[in-house]
Amino acid sequence: SQQGEEDPQALSIQEGENATMNCSYKTSINNLQWYRQNSGRGLVHLILIRSNEREKHSGRLRVTLDTSKKSSSLLITASRAADTASYFCATDGGETSGSRLTFGEGTQLTVNP
Amino acid sequence: DAGVIQSPRHEVTEMGQEVTLRCKPISGHDYLFWYRQTMMRGLELLIYFNNNVPIDDSGMPEDRFSAKMPNASFSTLKIQPSEPRDSAVYFCASSSLREGVFGPGTRLTVL
Repeated sequence: SQQGEEDPQALSIQEGENATMNCSYKTSINNLQWYRQNSGRGLVHLILIRSNEREKHSGRLRVTLDTSKKSSSLLITASRAADTASYFCATDGGETSGSRLTFGEGTQLTVNP
Repeated sequence: DAGVIQSPRHEVTEMGQEVTLRCKPISGHDYLFWYRQTMMRGLELLIYFNNNVPIDDSGMPEDRFSAKMPNASFSTLKIQPSEPRDSAVYFCASSSLREGVFGPGTRLTVL
């Protein structure tokens, strides 16, 4: 089964609004990463948060991690049309799974101009 | 830095043919991953290597799939014989410190 599960599956907002996407996972992790994928393109790494961190910022991105709830959120502030893409969370499963990343199914974000 | 390079970018072949996908990881990265992405199953890890050694190939769907990494700068994923259900986008990624960098992917269509 998928380790990371994103919520919602699809999100449509207006330019300038904030977008929040959530991710839940099942087992212990070393870190959690967020990726973006533009239609027909490869995956781009956005941000990594380690299991001992609670919040991390990168530009307009803010990621939180709650290991007690096994969940993470990605907030994109002041969204732009160019943020339209699919967003995936991926978990690094720790010692039992080596360095492989397990991806969720993604959230399709549409930012309308 | 050219990033992770994959070739070909698109491949259309007929059922039963052999398909070879190629990947050049980022220099210095000691992990290499092959993923497959389909609408039905999302992103799936097929196999990964550490220092050119296959560590976990439990995601390889069948014996028709094989992957090699003869040196630190090159890896191949081979499907022989190919089937229509193998149609997908295949991503190669390399990493160190577990921050993966993905290639642009190879879109495979098996007719």
